[in-house]
Amino acid sequence: EVQLVESGGGLVRPGGSLRLSCAGSGFTFSTYGIQWVRQGPGKGLAWVSYIIGDGSSTSYVDSVKGRFTISRDNAKNTVYLQMNSLRAEDTAVYYCGRDFFYSVDSWGQGTLVTVSS
Amino acid sequence: DVVMTQSPLSLPVTLGLPASISCRSGRSLVHSDGNTYLSWFQQRPGQSPRRLIYNLSNRDSGVPDRFSGSGSVTYFTLKISRVEAEDVGVYYCMQGTHWPYTFGQGTKLEIK
Repeated sequence: EVQLVESGGGLVRPGGSLRLSCAGSGFTFSTYGIQWVRQGPGKGLAWVSYIIGDGSSTSYVDSVKGRFTISRDNAKNTVYLQMNSLRAEDTAVYYCGRDFFYSVDSWGQGTLVTVSS
Repeated sequence: DVVMTQSPLSLPVTLGLPASISCRSGRSLVHSDGNTYLSWFQQRPGQSPRRLIYNLSNRDSGVPDRFSGSGSVTYFTLKISRVEAEDVGVYYCMQGTHWPYTFGQGTKLEIK
């Protein structure tokens, strides 16, 4: 069974940093891209970042470029999202999802990031 | 980025009756390989999104056959043939044809 488990969320002050993790199991992790999608309080889904299976290519939504960095350690079956210079508008539940054939076929349970003073 | 516009945003439905959600894209979602990479997701209250439909009309494993997807080019529809209580939640369309993936605003389905 495909499983994705996010961790690392929490309360952080504006300007602070957090590192989210997404641990995968039940599939050959290194052969799949991973997406990060966030959902602000009471809002819809919004794509944040993507990393290809071998880690050689990444992409970000404009609003997080220069602040967030996605990476992966395939030996640990884990993708990371390093989030720096956090802003109130980054407050959201962050989901990781397995990218498969131009869609996201499996999602984690999400981790809540709250940016507040 | 491709804008995805859903309607309605709120959908009150009587149990046992059909429901339909529309999704329009700002540009054609026909990929150069001929496929249309339009997916539908269900998000029940307090849960993660769950994919129902991929590649326009293919149901995911375990998805009841009362859910169906259709459409072409820029206009797409998710239909529920007979709404059940467990269908309550928010439904999102998402395009994967053009980078980056983009989502519709979501349609909240509730029982009358």
